[in-house]
Amino acid sequence: KQEVTQIPAALSVPEGENLVLNCSFTDSAIYNLQWFRQDPGKGLTSLLLIQSSQREQTSGRLNASLDKSSGRSTLYIAASQPGDSATYLCAVMGAGNMLTFGGGTRLMVKP
Amino acid sequence: GAVVSQHPSRVICKSGTSVKIECRSLDFQATTMFWYRQFPKKSLMLMATSNEGSKATYEQGVEKDKFLINHASLTLSTLTVTSAHPEDSSFYICSARGPGLGRNEQFFGPGTRLTVL
Repeated sequence: KQEVTQIPAALSVPEGENLVLNCSFTDSAIYNLQWFRQDPGKGLTSLLLIQSSQREQTSGRLNASLDKSSGRSTLYIAASQPGDSATYLCAVMGAGNMLTFGGGTRLMVKP
Repeated sequence: GAVVSQHPSRVICKSGTSVKIECRSLDFQATTMFWYRQFPKKSLMLMATSNEGSKATYEQGVEKDKFLINHASLTLSTLTVTSAHPEDSSFYICSARGPGLGRNEQFFGPGTRLTVL
């Protein structure tokens, strides 16, 4: 059974810092890995999707990497802003197109 | 990207009543829809997978008689929480995928907050 772990569970940083969120998964047989953002009481916003054959994806200040063999992914946020404050979820898609989510990292960026 | 809507966004009901939540794909045909539940400060847990025109497949521990799922058309799936109890209070999120979209990609609805008094 796939298990997805995110570290840290919570993170508080001053505005402007570069930061890294970590995601690990136990079964490397995945189709893709996706990073989402969730604001309190809201749904999910897809940030980046990395197919299993890819190593990384970039969108603006966000960069996500994938090392399938070691079961790891990182989400790099450059020059963090207060508006980046949210919960970031990592999810992997495996057999049957099922998504397994990590527990999330709650990020607070202080002005 | 593809758009998925949910209705209602928030519902409060009395214990013992049934509540229906709708999930619609607005600009694509959703051959498969997924229902997730999220408790406060927790991650999403898959409840069931439904394919259009067939019975839903429920995850272990999810009562199919309590959480009725219908996927009667390519754009609509419904989740009915029957005889709701306070412990059913949660955030319910659906997602959908279909042919012609990104490979193996799911698109998520905005969620429905259910509060059972």
